[in-house]
Amino acid sequence: GAGVSQSPRYKVAKRGQDVALRCDPISGHVSLFWYQQALGQGPEFLTYFQNEAQLDKSGLPSDRFFAERPEGSVSTLKIQRTQQEDSAVYLCASSWPGGLNTGELFFGEGSRLTVL
Amino acid sequence: GDSVTQMEGPVTLSEEAFLTINCTYTATGYPSLFWYVQYPGEGLQLLLKATKADDKGSNKGFEATYRKETTSFHLEKGSVQVSDSAVYFCALSVNTNAGKSTFGDGTTLTVKP
Repeated sequence: GAGVSQSPRYKVAKRGQDVALRCDPISGHVSLFWYQQALGQGPEFLTYFQNEAQLDKSGLPSDRFFAERPEGSVSTLKIQRTQQEDSAVYLCASSWPGGLNTGELFFGEGSRLTVL
Repeated sequence: GDSVTQMEGPVTLSEEAFLTINCTYTATGYPSLFWYVQYPGEGLQLLLKATKADDKGSNKGFEATYRKETTSFHLEKGSVQVSDSAVYFCALSVNTNAGKSTFGDGTTLTVKP
């Protein structure tokens, strides 16, 4: 596609429910990142994939958070047993190898998660 | 660890006013520096970047110069327009972190006609 696509754009979950957020990166982009953005703050790094390999998951806040990219394109961020503190906008970004060297990221519009 | 500190907002200016949004950073390596912009209802998009000291990034009338001696990357525009109203994020990326970026908390700019 023309840009990074994320779905759903908005998700309301009851505390304790599991949610899955999808990211479809720009075609050909090797690198894929997930960020969490709380209200009024900048994006915080969660995890990074190069193709299908998850090379860095140091930002995942707990073992309730899990991300995958099984075929090296679409990625899913799963949050199990959601808590109110998980409420945030989840941003996906992708980058091509040239961009990787300078860190330039292409972002989707984000998935806004509200946990009641 | 790496960090980015941005001028706190919100910032409200009249059209054609001069804009400065301050950004300073701390990095363990030699970072590339970025300004991203988020227009209402849209995703973050790259505004400009600089990859080495003394480089000047520029786009859409905005400029920022990579100052290693002061660890700063201040965003400037000589004459803002209503359409520049958005949230601006300063960010850095250290190559050894494979492109993982660290962001500031953002500065909301409102330009009034």
